[in-house]
Amino acid sequence: KQEVTQIPAALSVPEGENLVLNCSFTDSAIYNLQWFRQDPGKGLTSLLLIQSSQREQTSGRLNASLDKSSGRSTLYIAASQPGDSATYLCAVKDVSGGSNYKLTFGKGTLLTVNP
Amino acid sequence: NAGVMQNPRHLVRRRGQEARLRCSPMKGHSHVYWYRQLPEEGLKFMVYLQKENIIDESGMPKERFSAEFPKEGPSILRIQQVVRGDSAAYFCASSPVPQGFTEAFFGQGTRLTVV
Repeated sequence: KQEVTQIPAALSVPEGENLVLNCSFTDSAIYNLQWFRQDPGKGLTSLLLIQSSQREQTSGRLNASLDKSSGRSTLYIAASQPGDSATYLCAVKDVSGGSNYKLTFGKGTLLTVNP
Repeated sequence: NAGVMQNPRHLVRRRGQEARLRCSPMKGHSHVYWYRQLPEEGLKFMVYLQKENIIDESGMPKERFSAEFPKEGPSILRIQQVVRGDSAAYFCASSPVPQGFTEAFFGQGTRLTVV
């Protein structure tokens, strides 16, 4: 059974700092890995999708890497801003069990960027 | 093209009442997925529906919960005789084909509070 762990559970940084959020998963047989942002009381916003054959994806100040063999992904945020404050969720879509649609989520990292 | 639309955004029910949560998929999407986010927990898969068919309901509680996606109209997640433990955020995602390698897009969610 796939399990996704995100470390740290919470992170507080000053504005302008570069930071890394970590995600690990137990079953490396995945279709893809997706990073989401969730603002308090709001829905999920898709940030980056990395296919299993890819090593990284970039969007603006965000860069996500994937090391499928070791079951790890990192989300790098450059020059953090107060507007980046949110919970960041990592989710994998795995191959096992024959389903190609189930996402397994981590519990998230709550990021606070202080002005 | 509007995104996945969920309503209501917030729903308060007394114990024993019924809750109906609606999800209108993105235009052209015929596959719908429901997830539940309990307090302090990650999102968990509940059910996958295609128009008029339940494909996978392995994540649904065995009692009181049901889901449908009729030929016309939104998908409905129905919870009968709600209990306090049903209080959670319920999210819906949709896709034009079974997700596989495609990106997942979620609605804003419905926050159910049982009092």
